[in-house]
Amino acid sequence: SQQGEEDPQALSIQEGENATMNCSYKTSINNLQWYRQNSGRGLVHLILIRSNEREKHSGRLRVTLDTSKKSSSLLITASRAADTASYFCATDEGNTGFQKLVFGTGTRLLVSP
Amino acid sequence: EAGVAQSPRYKIIEKRQSVAFWCNPISGHATLYWYQQILGQGPKLLIQFQNNGVVDDSQLPKDRFSAERLKGVDSTLKIQPAKLEDSAVYLCASSSSGRDYNEQFFGPGTRLTVL
Repeated sequence: SQQGEEDPQALSIQEGENATMNCSYKTSINNLQWYRQNSGRGLVHLILIRSNEREKHSGRLRVTLDTSKKSSSLLITASRAADTASYFCATDEGNTGFQKLVFGTGTRLLVSP
Repeated sequence: EAGVAQSPRYKIIEKRQSVAFWCNPISGHATLYWYQQILGQGPKLLIQFQNNGVVDDSQLPKDRFSAERLKGVDSTLKIQPAKLEDSAVYLCASSSSGRDYNEQFFGPGTRLTVL
């Protein structure tokens, strides 16, 4: 499976600013998930949005999904230094009843104090 | 609750040698996944087990990679012989069920360097 594309590849902001990263994918999906990866905690699931949903919130996270454009965005509000990590979108492209995740290329976020 | 355990954490081998990685999933999780993450890329699914049966191994290079989950609990992934391009982090994940949506929990990974 082809990996999705994430944009930007790298993002550098100051604490307190908002960070927006985008994900594009190629095929029909069951849901789209966002993960965070850093050296301290490894790869961790953040939020899921189903294919029939357009927007989802969780704490400081806001995810949107546009299935007509095959794209999603993740907004992190009021960023903190601890948000420094790589962020990956992952599309569930399983068509046999089993979940099958295809990860994007990732966005590296650096939040400076 | 204990997380997904993997060992070793690091491994350095020369090309054409063999290597094996071990994974112990979260207790009670029926589904186990092995991913390969090359530096600068997202994880790529290699193989998915449901209990001790293979659900998906379409991206596993079967000429050199093999994996098993004999008792439906822990799993091993083997590479024989290794190539330079196999240098990557190998991540194991588990979920309570592979059907529909169930959150995947990832282990810390094994970083493989092939010289």
